Amino acid sequence: DTEVTQTPKHLVMGMTNKKSLKCEQHMGHRAMYWYKQKAKKPPELMFVYSYEKLSINESVPSRFSPECPNSSLLNLHLHALQPEDSALYLCASSQDLSAAGEGETQYFGPGTRLLVL
Amino acid sequence: QKEVEQDPGPLSVPEGAIVSLNCTYSNSAFQYFMWYRQYSRKGPELLMYTYSSGNKEDGRFTAQVDKSSKYISLFIRDSQPSDSATYLCAMSAKRGSTLGRLYFGRGTQLTVWP
Repeated sequence: DTEVTQTPKHLVMGMTNKKSLKCEQHMGHRAMYWYKQKAKKPPELMFVYSYEKLSINESVPSRFSPECPNSSLLNLHLHALQPEDSALYLCASSQDLSAAGEGETQYFGPGTRLLVL
Repeated sequence: QKEVEQDPGPLSVPEGAIVSLNCTYSNSAFQYFMWYRQYSRKGPELLMYTYSSGNKEDGRFTAQVDKSSKYISLFIRDSQPSDSATYLCAMSAKRGSTLGRLYFGRGTQLTVWP
């Protein structure tokens, strides 16, 4: 099973709201990722967690706050977002950052489509 | 110059055609090469993975890597309307600060018409 699940599928929020995106995988992967994708663009890396510790933060504004409560779950907390933050937010996982071969590959969830009004 | 270049298309072919999708790259440290398929409003789905140079075949799909030319290809034989999607190439180096990062092409939008 190579499934990564994400909830909710769609989210509409105002600029003063606080919301959270959730991601779950049960493949035993120890690296998890958040990406942002705008229309007709490739995914842009936001954060990487390795063994539940934040490994990479691609200079993402503090209104995005990631959390990895355990090895299967990844959250993205949203607060005071701007309309330009509207995008598809993708979660992905891979076996391990140091895995060789196919352990390198990342498996993506279906995404959360976020609209900020 | 972007690290990964991919013609965004759009590419439109009739059902049954052979489709060739390509990416070029500039970073000679890239060793791992992936192709993802992304249907409209969905997450990317891993199609093929290759390491270093050579060919890999999986059903109607063949991935080729030519590291000497820094060029990768995905061939789709007997294309079907269900292959209509955006195809993203991605690559990684697994070295130092690049660990954990995938470098994506822009994606090629493919339409296969019946």
